Amino acid sequence: DAGVIQSPRHEVTEMGQEVTLRCKPISGHDYLFWYRQTMMRGLELLIYFNNNVPIDDSGMPEDRFSAKMPNASFSTLKIQPSEPRDSAVYFCASSFGGDSPTDTQYFGPGTRLTVL
Amino acid sequence: KQEVTQIPAALSVPEGENLVLNCSFTDSAIYNLQWFRQDPGKGLTSLLLIQSSQREQTSGRLNASLDKSSGRSTLYIAASQPGDSATYLCAVESPPGAGSYQLTFGKGTKLSVIP
Repeated sequence: DAGVIQSPRHEVTEMGQEVTLRCKPISGHDYLFWYRQTMMRGLELLIYFNNNVPIDDSGMPEDRFSAKMPNASFSTLKIQPSEPRDSAVYFCASSFGGDSPTDTQYFGPGTRLTVL
Repeated sequence: KQEVTQIPAALSVPEGENLVLNCSFTDSAIYNLQWFRQDPGKGLTSLLLIQSSQREQTSGRLNASLDKSSGRSTLYIAASQPGDSATYLCAVESPPGAGSYQLTFGKGTKLSVIP
């Protein structure tokens, strides 16, 4: 398996623009997580899905952020409109559950977002 | 709210040295604790997972310990190698509330092993 795939790897955009980050989880995994990493706040969970259904979105910072998982092999994280403070590395991770879905997470390489 | 702290933020050691990375957490009611490795420009790789009922876990040259009562965990790396250079993150999982699982991460310790 190719592992968790994220695209794009780097994104530079201007304030106010819409940004869409994409993730393809590992086949057979039924949990998908979106994280954000910054120097100031470290790694934070934004939202996670189980069998394509959002379970906990309490980490989504504002209404400008939205995430979808239309099928088991694809998820998007959208920011509209984007702001400079959204600049961060966004990670997607997937897992097959087990005793706890976070026990078996596999992380993608991340998308580095820069909002000018 | 759970808080996880890792000190120091950066550490530099000569090759071959044994070293200890520290992690502390504020709420001892944890489900498990994980240590991750992050290489520059890459995602996280899980190294060791310690269940709340366990005291330690070992994998090769790595040994992680857990003391829930004091809110501490350590990651011991024996005979360090330049390839161990990376950022090491500690993450604590709180007991699921309302069916939700949450990992709280520390900000990591950046390790440099000098040849």
